[in-house]
Amino acid sequence: AQSVTQLDSQVPVFEEAPVELRCNYSSSVSVYLFWYVQYPNQGLQLLLKYLSGSTLVKGINGFEAEFNKSQTSFHLRKPSVHISDTAEYFCAVSDVGAGKLTFGQGTILTVHP
Amino acid sequence: DVKVTQSSRYLVKRTGEKVFLECVQDMDHENMFWYRQDPGLGLRLIYFSYDVKMKEKGDIPEGYSVSREKKERFSLILESASTNQTSMYLCASSSPSREGVVAFFGQGTRLTVV
Repeated sequence: AQSVTQLDSQVPVFEEAPVELRCNYSSSVSVYLFWYVQYPNQGLQLLLKYLSGSTLVKGINGFEAEFNKSQTSFHLRKPSVHISDTAEYFCAVSDVGAGKLTFGQGTILTVHP
Repeated sequence: DVKVTQSSRYLVKRTGEKVFLECVQDMDHENMFWYRQDPGLGLRLIYFSYDVKMKEKGDIPEGYSVSREKKERFSLILESASTNQTSMYLCASSSPSREGVVAFFGQGTRLTVV
């Protein structure tokens, strides 16, 4: 069985500051890793994904994440956030070759002016 | 663009009613999923399907059933709605061989059971 832990339920930051949203997972098999974003009253939108290859992956809106297999982590980072980045962020994992995702509890990022 | 459409954004139903939540995708995806989203709990998988007329239980299937008669449509059924089923329901679809196995989500249905 897989599990995903997002270590922070809420992260407040000021505009233009850097941010890191932390995600740890557990799995006995090889995995794919994803970050999704949910803006208020909307569905989930993919930010970025790790399937294989380079452990540093870049996504939309200036976000990036680094896969660390030894620490079973997939932390999301952005060097300078905007007000429009205020949203809830979800880390997710799936077995390689499977389709179903296991999600973390979500992290609410609030960017203050 | 992939489009996953859920039939209702908001629903209010009475306890004991039979409730149908409909989801349609237009990308010929093999996989379809129903998740439930609650604050602090993230998304939890209710049921999923890898093919027409095929279904498998997810992590929280109790009180729900599903139907997949056509490839593009996946329905979630609450046989007898209860107040603890008040939640946001999200449908998703994906293909194991396309778009990097990314799941695409609908806008969600916010169901209130009174």
